[in-house]
Amino acid sequence: DTGVSQDPRHKITKRGQNVTFRCDPISEHNRLYWYRQTLGQGPEFLTYFQNEAQLEKSRLLSDRFSAERPKGSFSTLEIQRTEQGDSAMYLCASSSSRQANTEAFFGQGTRLTVV
Amino acid sequence: GDSVTQMEGPVTLSEEAFLTINCTYTATGYPSLFWYVQYPGEGLQLLLKATKADDKGSNKGFEATYRKETTSFHLEKGSVQVSDSAVYFCALRLLTSGTYKYIFGTGTRLKVLA
Repeated sequence: DTGVSQDPRHKITKRGQNVTFRCDPISEHNRLYWYRQTLGQGPEFLTYFQNEAQLEKSRLLSDRFSAERPKGSFSTLEIQRTEQGDSAMYLCASSSSRQANTEAFFGQGTRLTVV
Repeated sequence: GDSVTQMEGPVTLSEEAFLTINCTYTATGYPSLFWYVQYPGEGLQLLLKATKADDKGSNKGFEATYRKETTSFHLEKGSVQVSDSAVYFCALRLLTSGTYKYIFGTGTRLKVLA
């Protein structure tokens, strides 16, 4: 296993279009996080899954955003009716609840540009 | 609310200089503390961590000590290299309502000149 994998790495879309990103966590990790990072800022929490259950959603996650993790493995993040303000790097991370004090491992991110 | 404050960058140093990047935090519980590093176009990589007060995390010559009395976790390195040029993020992790959440600072860009 080579770590957390995100696809695509880059996405350019026109305003109003829908986009979907995929995250494949480290295989034995049951926790999965989505973060958003804008230029010059630190990552901001969007949502958290433990197994297939979405346990928390940030207020940053408007109703145009939806995330799923149907089988407790990979996850998808969909943005409907994209806006220019959605342009950012979307980061996925995973960790394990079975190991004490384990840190989150991050993927390389999907950079979204809305034109 | 819970937050992390880092010194603003960019920090520009000559090779072999001493590095300090300040980080302080505000948290309602007892967080674990982390430093992550981000190279251009890449995701975040864990640099070091500390899970309780007075713990010292270290990796690749970088060190940081969890100071509960000053709510700080400053990053230090005795002799920086050009390859250390990157953005460094201080972060805390809290367990609230059964959810682990990471809160990041805004990042500090380090430029090391040969």
